Amino acid sequence: DIVMTQGVLPNPVPSGESASITCRSSKSLVYKDGKTYLNWFLQRPGQSPQLLTYWMSTRASGVSDRFSGSGSGTYFTLKISRVRAEDAGVYYCQQVREYPLTFGSGTKLEIK
Amino acid sequence: EVQLVESGGGLVQPGRSMKLSCAASGFTFSNYGMAWVRQAPTKGLEWVATISYDGSSTYYRDSVKGRFTISRDNAKSTLYLQMNSLRSEDTATYYCTTGSSFDYWGQGVMVTVSS
Repeated sequence: DIVMTQGVLPNPVPSGESASITCRSSKSLVYKDGKTYLNWFLQRPGQSPQLLTYWMSTRASGVSDRFSGSGSGTYFTLKISRVRAEDAGVYYCQQVREYPLTFGSGTKLEIK
Repeated sequence: EVQLVESGGGLVQPGRSMKLSCAASGFTFSNYGMAWVRQAPTKGLEWVATISYDGSSTYYRDSVKGRFTISRDNAKSTLYLQMNSLRSEDTATYYCTTGSSFDYWGQGVMVTVSS
């Protein structure tokens, strides 16, 4: 199974600052079509997860351009610019390169 | 508006069965693969199973293989998860989601396995 390892944020992050969340996979997530099969989600307290980005860097419909995904085949970053109170919650990376699909353990973002 | 509404959860004894349903609306259900993802209390997200758009292919995590069955009825725009031989470690909120894109999620349904 592909293991997804997420980093920890130095919480809380001051409102208006930037935050970068890291995720590492135990195997390359680049498929033969050249796409990188890595999703990012935000789960706000008491809510269902929300897709932020897919194919590592493509923003989902309606997602603010303050969220940007980047990375290589095994190391990924979700950058949140000008953080706001509404960005608070737990962020998860997920690999959809192969089954079983796996998530990282989550990174909590608190806003000051 | 896309809606996914799960139902069928509750309290069940270990070893018993339970069937979850997910009613979909607002999109062409038969065009989409679908999935179940669960979240144990205070824990992270865990993928459970995926089914292809036509039901011809299914995938499971090892811990539920042979116990859970994912299925769908495209005529009813409904996704199912039949859970047999339930264990305490299956206790979680179960989410229905569009399985190839994970862009739409239901509100989740709680399943508690306890005697």
